[in-house]
Amino acid sequence: KNEVEQSPQNLTAQEGEFITINCSYSVGISALHWLQQHPGGGIVSLFMLSSGKKKHGRLIATINIQEKHSSLHITASHPRDSAVYICAGGNSGAGSYQLTFGKGTKLSVIP
Amino acid sequence: DVKVTQSSRYLVKRTGEKVFLECVQDMDHENMFWYRQDPGLGLRLIYFSYDVKMKEKGDIPEGYSVSREKKERFSLILESASTNQTSMYLCASSLWGTSGTDTQYFGPGTRLTVL
Repeated sequence: KNEVEQSPQNLTAQEGEFITINCSYSVGISALHWLQQHPGGGIVSLFMLSSGKKKHGRLIATINIQEKHSSLHITASHPRDSAVYICAGGNSGAGSYQLTFGKGTKLSVIP
Repeated sequence: DVKVTQSSRYLVKRTGEKVFLECVQDMDHENMFWYRQDPGLGLRLIYFSYDVKMKEKGDIPEGYSVSREKKERFSLILESASTNQTSMYLCASSLWGTSGTDTQYFGPGTRLTVL
């Protein structure tokens, strides 16, 4: 069974701090997704990566395939970044591409 | 933009009632998914469908069934609701991709309370 472990579970940061959220995954996962969930429930896909690094604005996602580890970084954090960040491993099987989710990291950025 | 909509944001039902949760996507996606999300457990897959009338069990299908009669619509059915089915239910859809790495687009969620 595919597994995804995320840390930390909760994170509080001061506005402007550099933030890192970590994700480890098991064999069999072909791509790693980072998702953001704001209070109220809606989930937005931030990144999908199977190698290297991706950047979008102040968000950077990296993946190390050998170590089966991915990180999500937020530079110059802002209170509007407060959300739950979820890492998910994707694998193809049973006729579809499925995601296995980590339990999420609740980020609170304080002004 | 892909839009995934769910029939209700909040729903309150009584134990033993039959409950229907509807999900509609407007991007002609082949794959559709139902998840439930509980504190400390994250998102767990209940059922998914990769084509009309096709369905596959996810990790926690017990107590649920699904229906996909049209490509754009995927329904989750609680045959006899129980209090342990109180949860946030999220629907998602994705395109059938040959790369094997499909982005899933999520609906806003339905927070179901069973009394």
